[in-house]
Amino acid sequence: GAGVSQSPRYKVAKRGQDVALRCDPISGHVSLFWYQQALGQGPEFLTYFQNEAQLDKSGLPSDRFFAERPEGSVSTLKIQRTQQEDSAVYLCASRPGGSYNEQFFGPGTRLTVL
Amino acid sequence: GIQVEQSPPDLILQEGANSTLRCNFSDSVNNLQWFHQNPWGQLINLFYIPSGTKQNGRLSATTVATERYSLLYISSSQTTDSGVYFCAVERMDSSYKLIFGSGTRLLVRP
Repeated sequence: GAGVSQSPRYKVAKRGQDVALRCDPISGHVSLFWYQQALGQGPEFLTYFQNEAQLDKSGLPSDRFFAERPEGSVSTLKIQRTQQEDSAVYLCASRPGGSYNEQFFGPGTRLTVL
Repeated sequence: GIQVEQSPPDLILQEGANSTLRCNFSDSVNNLQWFHQNPWGQLINLFYIPSGTKQNGRLSATTVATERYSLLYISSSQTTDSGVYFCAVERMDSSYKLIFGSGTRLLVRP
């Protein structure tokens, strides 16, 4: 079946612009995660949804970062007034829920802020 | 918070060689996953292995949860095995998020 998909795959923004990154999880997956991966490092947690409820947003680096999942399926990560330090790959992951905890990742969106 | 350490950080192999990658973690975990990040950045699931041993073709993995480590074995390496291998764990307090190690960068030469 289809995996996790993300769009756009690449985004170039000028400093100060707002961007929106989309994630389509695997159909039926209850849990959705956003991670940020800087060059040469492992992914780092940003935020977590269970259905439409955002249960953990402890990893969001500033109040310029906002995520939503209004119908418990597609999610959008929005970054306002982008800064150069926001340049990274943004990864989305989903998992089925229940007792099975394996997470499956999308291909990521590479954001470059000039 | 939980610490995840991977070794070695870098590894160069000749095609056909075998290797062992290690992941140490500092606290009890619910979940442990091994990933291969290919040159295009895609994280590919290799193993979901909070404990025990699993095998998939030329790859196998063992997690000894009581001693807080996991090993990934690659046998008869191929050039397509090149990339970064990540270990990631989920803490026992059900915080759900995965904590990643810094990865092992593998280059397999023909």
